[in-house]
Amino acid sequence: DTAVSQTPKYLVTQMGNDKSIKCEQNLGHDTMYWYKQDSKKFLKIMFSYNNKELIINETVPNRFSPKSPDKAHLNLHINSLELGDSAVYFCASSVREGNEQYFGPGTRLTVT
Amino acid sequence: AQSVTQLDSQVPVFEEAPVELRCNYSSSVSVYLFWYVQYPNQGLQLLLKYLSGSTLVKGINGFEAEFNKSQTSFHLRKPSVHISDTAEYFCALIAGANNLFFGTGTRLTVIP
Repeated sequence: DTAVSQTPKYLVTQMGNDKSIKCEQNLGHDTMYWYKQDSKKFLKIMFSYNNKELIINETVPNRFSPKSPDKAHLNLHINSLELGDSAVYFCASSVREGNEQYFGPGTRLTVT
Repeated sequence: AQSVTQLDSQVPVFEEAPVELRCNYSSSVSVYLFWYVQYPNQGLQLLLKYLSGSTLVKGINGFEAEFNKSQTSFHLRKPSVHISDTAEYFCALIAGANNLFFGTGTRLTVIP
C-alpha cells in the first residue's frame, strides 16, 4: 500500500541511451512532481503536473520529458543520456499546488 | 524570490544529547514551512510542517520546530537524540502558490 512508488530503484545505463522512470501515486492527489538530487544532496524541482497539464518546467534540458497517462502516474523520459544526468530522481505528489508533498523512494540513475 | 538557508552542513552530536538544526528563510509573501528527513538510501519523509496557528509545531520521532516570523527562522529541535536519528535533514518552504523549495540539507550524525 505504498503511497508514492517509483520503478526502477536503480538504473545503470550508457551515455546516449534513452530511458524511462515510472511513478505512481495512490493518494488521489491532483499534482505530481519530479525532483533531481545531485551528488551534494541538493534537491531541485524539474517538473510538476496538475491534472495532466504541465504547470512548471524549470530550466532542464529538453532531453527530459514528463509523460502523464492519467492523474495517478507521471513518468520521466530521458533521451540521449549524458554523464551529468547521473543523480537520484524523486517523484512526489500533493493534493494540489502549494500543499505538502509526499515523496517516492527515489531512482538512482548512473550513466557510464 | 524565496530562499532557504541551512547554515550547518554537518552536525555531530552524542547520543541522548539535545540537538538544534537551524533553518532561515527569505520570502516576500507568507510561507508554509516544512522539515523533511532522508535516511540513508531512502526517500524523503515529512517530519513536521507549519501552515498557520501555533508557532510551535510537533512532529514525528520526538522532533519539534518553532516558527519565528521576526527572525525568519524555523529551527528543528529534539531534546534527546538516538542513533537512529542519523540522517540528512532538509528544511523547505512553499511561498504563495509556488512549489516546494529546499535548503541544502544538514547531515545529522549521532555518535554512540
